[in-house]
Amino acid sequence: GNSVTQMEGPVTLSEEAFLTINCTYTATGYPSLFWYVQYPGEGLQLLLKATKADDKGSNKGFEATYRKETTSFHLEKGSVQVSDSAVYFCALARRDTGGGNKLTFGTGTQLKVEL
Amino acid sequence: GAGVSQSPSNKVTEKGKDVELRCDPISGHTALYWYRQSLGQGLEFLIYFQGNSAPDKSGLPSDRFSAERTGGSVSTLTIQRTQQEDSAVYLCASSSLADTQYFGPGTRLTVL
Repeated sequence: GNSVTQMEGPVTLSEEAFLTINCTYTATGYPSLFWYVQYPGEGLQLLLKATKADDKGSNKGFEATYRKETTSFHLEKGSVQVSDSAVYFCALARRDTGGGNKLTFGTGTQLKVEL
Repeated sequence: GAGVSQSPSNKVTEKGKDVELRCDPISGHTALYWYRQSLGQGLEFLIYFQGNSAPDKSGLPSDRFSAERTGGSVSTLTIQRTQQEDSAVYLCASSSLADTQYFGPGTRLTVL
């Protein structure tokens, strides 16, 4: 079956540090890949996505590249801010025969950014 | 525009009672999903509705769980004879066909 593995947290960084959160996946076929973010007290929000190999998703300074050869979708940001403190979830969706796109999530990585 | 809404935001119930959780998807979205977020299991898929098709119930953990979607819009997730392991945040998401899923704020269920 499908699965997503992401690095365990919490990850604690100083403001303006470089961020990498690793994510690898197992899936048949060609899934779409996503990063969702959950800020404290809020719901899940889509951060970025990529739908095919070598695509790069980007948003709010975050980037992730769909690497089919390494089955990875690592999240990066060059300079984090305190406001980036949140839990980040890597996820995949593979369209099934019924047209559904149900998401398989990783366990989430908590990021804490300090001044 | 309005996002996905869920009610109640919090629900505390006693073991053995039935609960109903409601989801109001984004207008025009044909697909609706329920997920559960718990400490032990992370985020897991429960059930999926698409238009008038039969729902995909493959993620429901037991026959105590059921869901319906009336008129292709509002959905209700029902848990019968609640158990303590049902305590979790129940998330609803909606999307246009095969497009990005937008999540509601969730219902936090606590079973005492």
